[in-house]
Amino acid sequence: KQEVTQIPAALSVPEGENLVLNCSFTDSAIYNLQWFRQDPGKGLTSLLLIQSSQREQTSGRLNASLDKSSGRSTLYIAASQPGDSATYLCAVRRDGANNLFFGTGTRLTVIP
Amino acid sequence: GAGVSQSPSNKVTEKGKDVELRCDPISGHTALYWYRQSLGQGLEFLIYFQGNSAPDKSGLPSDRFSAERTGGSVSTLTIQRTQQEDSAVYLCASSFKTGYYEQYFGPGTRLTVT
Repeated sequence: KQEVTQIPAALSVPEGENLVLNCSFTDSAIYNLQWFRQDPGKGLTSLLLIQSSQREQTSGRLNASLDKSSGRSTLYIAASQPGDSATYLCAVRRDGANNLFFGTGTRLTVIP
Repeated sequence: GAGVSQSPSNKVTEKGKDVELRCDPISGHTALYWYRQSLGQGLEFLIYFQGNSAPDKSGLPSDRFSAERTGGSVSTLTIQRTQQEDSAVYLCASSFKTGYYEQYFGPGTRLTVT
């Protein structure tokens, strides 16, 4: 069974800092990996999708990398802002599976 | 364009009652997923629909849970004889097709069983 772990569980940083969120998964036979953010009481907002053949994806201040062989992905957020405060979730789609397996999330707080 | 919508946004029901949760996917999306988010379990997959194919029900926790998708669009998740452990946020997602494509999530339905 695919297990997805995110470290740290919570992170507080001052505004303007660059930061990295980590995601690891046990089964490297993945189809793709998706990063989401979730604001309190809300649904999930898709941030980036990385296919298994890709090494990274960028969108604005966000950069996600994927090392499939080692079972790791990172989400890099540059020049953090208070509006980035949310829970960040990574999810993997295993080869042959239809659904996403989700990590436990990292709760990010950016302090003004 | 419009995103995934879900109704109701909140539902409080008594133990033993049946509930129906609705999901309207993004227009043109053929794949539809239901997930459940609860404090103890995180986000877990329930059921998946792709076009006219038989649904993947492998995530449904018991036979009290069922779902249907009419006309390849709107989906309804039904929970019969609700239990307190069914209390959770039920999230629906859709994607253009399966596999390669991003999943887009709705705002969820918060179900509380008293």
